[in-house]
Amino acid sequence: SAVISQKPSRDICQRGTSLTIQCQVDSQVTMMFWYRQQPGQSLTLIATANQGSEATYESGFVIDKFPISRPNLTFSTLTVSNMSPEDSSIYLCSVASGLAGFYEQYFGPGTRLTVT
Amino acid sequence: AQSVSQHNHHVILSEAASLELGCNYSYGGTVNLFWYVQYPGQHLQLLLKYFSGDPLVKGIKGFEAEFIKSKFSFNLRKPSVQWSDTAEYFCAVNAGGFNKFYFGSGTKLNVKP
Repeated sequence: SAVISQKPSRDICQRGTSLTIQCQVDSQVTMMFWYRQQPGQSLTLIATANQGSEATYESGFVIDKFPISRPNLTFSTLTVSNMSPEDSSIYLCSVASGLAGFYEQYFGPGTRLTVT
Repeated sequence: AQSVSQHNHHVILSEAASLELGCNYSYGGTVNLFWYVQYPGQHLQLLLKYFSGDPLVKGIKGFEAEFIKSKFSFNLRKPSVQWSDTAEYFCAVNAGGFNKFYFGSGTKLNVKP
């Protein structure tokens, strides 16, 4: 298993500003993911961030709004840019580990973002 | 695109009652299946997983799940729930060995003491 930490754990931000969320893993992993979990809803995958390549975004999410960095095998950041109240959500970092075809996914504690 | 359906959005049970939460997925090929649990104020934790072999898998805290390939289902069960099982439960599918996981909408379980 992997132990994942995220910073900040929560924040309240004003409309139009940006917030960068950090994700730190206690071991080297190739695959990292960023999810959004809106109140009362399931997890929505924002993007896959593999080290050494550009992040791959899911439909409905774009790099200008959610730029991602993955400088090494234990760290990633997600920036929520030009925020609006609709961006209020919990943002989750996760990693996949295991042998190819037998991946397990582990999650960080999440960052609770409120945009006013 | 794949989808994962959890039909029970909110379940309320008394302690010692039996639990079964439904999960269905849409994918015709090989799948890996998971149940995650999120206790109040805590992060998502892996409850159990199915990769291959015995379709009845046992997880932590007395939970089990049965993979029925013909029904595209992976239902979660527990014979006797406890108040501490109050949480939200998510079914997830990883298809074809690829690195994407698809999650169901979650089921909130409330166990009354």
